[in-house]
Amino acid sequence: AQSVSQHNHHVILSEAASLELGCNYSYGGTVNLFWYVQYPGQHLQLLLKYFSGDPLVKGIKGFEAEFIKSKFSFNLRKPSVQWSDTAEYFCAAPYHSSGGSYIPTFGRGTSLIVHP
Amino acid sequence: DTGVSQDPRHKITKRGQNVTFRCDPISEHNRLYWYRQTLGQGPEFLTYFQNEAQLEKSRLLSDRFSAERPKGSFSTLEIQRTEQGDSAMYLCASNPGRTRYNEQFFGPGTRLTVL
Repeated sequence: AQSVSQHNHHVILSEAASLELGCNYSYGGTVNLFWYVQYPGQHLQLLLKYFSGDPLVKGIKGFEAEFIKSKFSFNLRKPSVQWSDTAEYFCAAPYHSSGGSYIPTFGRGTSLIVHP
Repeated sequence: DTGVSQDPRHKITKRGQNVTFRCDPISEHNRLYWYRQTLGQGPEFLTYFQNEAQLEKSRLLSDRFSAERPKGSFSTLEIQRTEQGDSAMYLCASNPGRTRYNEQFFGPGTRLTVL
């Protein structure tokens, strides 16, 4: 089955540390990839997305992600995290179902805690 | 607030009861999605609508789950004969539907607890 894998389920960092969260997808066709974030007590919201073009994508709040087709990866990075980056992070990709629909598929998420 | 809204935000019910959740998407968003999220997991796709048409329902968890969007605006998700395993957060999302790969705009969710 097509899937999205996030390898780091819990990450704890100190402020100013660098962050990289792994995401791998299992689909070899046209790729569209997303990172969503859920801050404590808030809705899931889009952090960044890749559709085509430059494989290095920049999102909100200083986050970026790099699409590496050969590795089926879309890792999320931030050079220097802040306490306010404490949140759950989800990688997602739409998969083509046998019925012809595109089904949004999410990884299980990474819980990031940043200590001040 | 013009975002996606869900009602109720919390629902506690006894096993065997039926429950219904409502989702109001962002105005003029043609697509509406339902997800289930359990602790430590990402959102799990259940079903989605393009206007009033339900285009994918093979992922609904059992025949106890059903969803409607009769006028292409708000949607309801019903769970009949609830079981303790149905306890979860039920999320709704919408998007304009102009392309196949639109981002999802999520609501706050309805947390269901089945006793």
